[in-house]
Amino acid sequence: DTGVSQNPRHKITKRGQNVTFRCDPISEHNRLYWYRQTLGQGPEFLTYFQNEAQLEKSRLLSDRFSAERPKGSFSTLEIQRTEQGDSAMYLCASSFPPRTGRTYNEQFFGPGTRLTVL
Amino acid sequence: RKEVEQDPGPFNVPEGATVAFNCTYSNSASQSFFWYRQDCRKEPKLLMSVYSSGNEDGRFTAQLNRASQYISLLIRDSKLSDSATYLCVGYGQNFVFGPGTRLSVLP
Repeated sequence: DTGVSQNPRHKITKRGQNVTFRCDPISEHNRLYWYRQTLGQGPEFLTYFQNEAQLEKSRLLSDRFSAERPKGSFSTLEIQRTEQGDSAMYLCASSFPPRTGRTYNEQFFGPGTRLTVL
Repeated sequence: RKEVEQDPGPFNVPEGATVAFNCTYSNSASQSFFWYRQDCRKEPKLLMSVYSSGNEDGRFTAQLNRASQYISLLIRDSKLSDSATYLCVGYGQNFVFGPGTRLSVLP
């Protein structure tokens, strides 16, 4: 399967614990995005990388959240001291570099990691 | 007010019906727009881009009115397999998704 993969697919944790999610983008995609989606809402942008550089972070991304993409390939999203409000689906997407004259390219989403904080 | 808003739904329509989804956006700096489709418990997938001149892909037609900051998606001759949530997306500095409108096509 050459699509975007995410692990784990499901995570149940107790409030106050730290969790880490991994995203493996489509190879040769240099852009990688993280989103959070709650029931009945569309995905909310959290952050994105171009290669290993984190270029933008949403104000939604509190200091308990950190994302890395150390070698410009896979990425991790860590949530420290989880709260019940962190329960959501965490989606990763990747894309090729933008084509000439554009600032974006089509995103391909992974299946997501569903986090439940008890 | 959310940056991208959509009809609240859900829309329940019979097979073969024509259904229209509406979307408005508040950020006039948004450059590009898209419709994504998301099946239950699945990831979003790009359905089509939206151009000011309007664009059509088979049974699907998308329109953009920049003056009114309004986007639409029309599905003709709806199929059972069209049942999904349709997400309106704007792109400025990053991708901003609307809350989605759920469609159920009934036999």
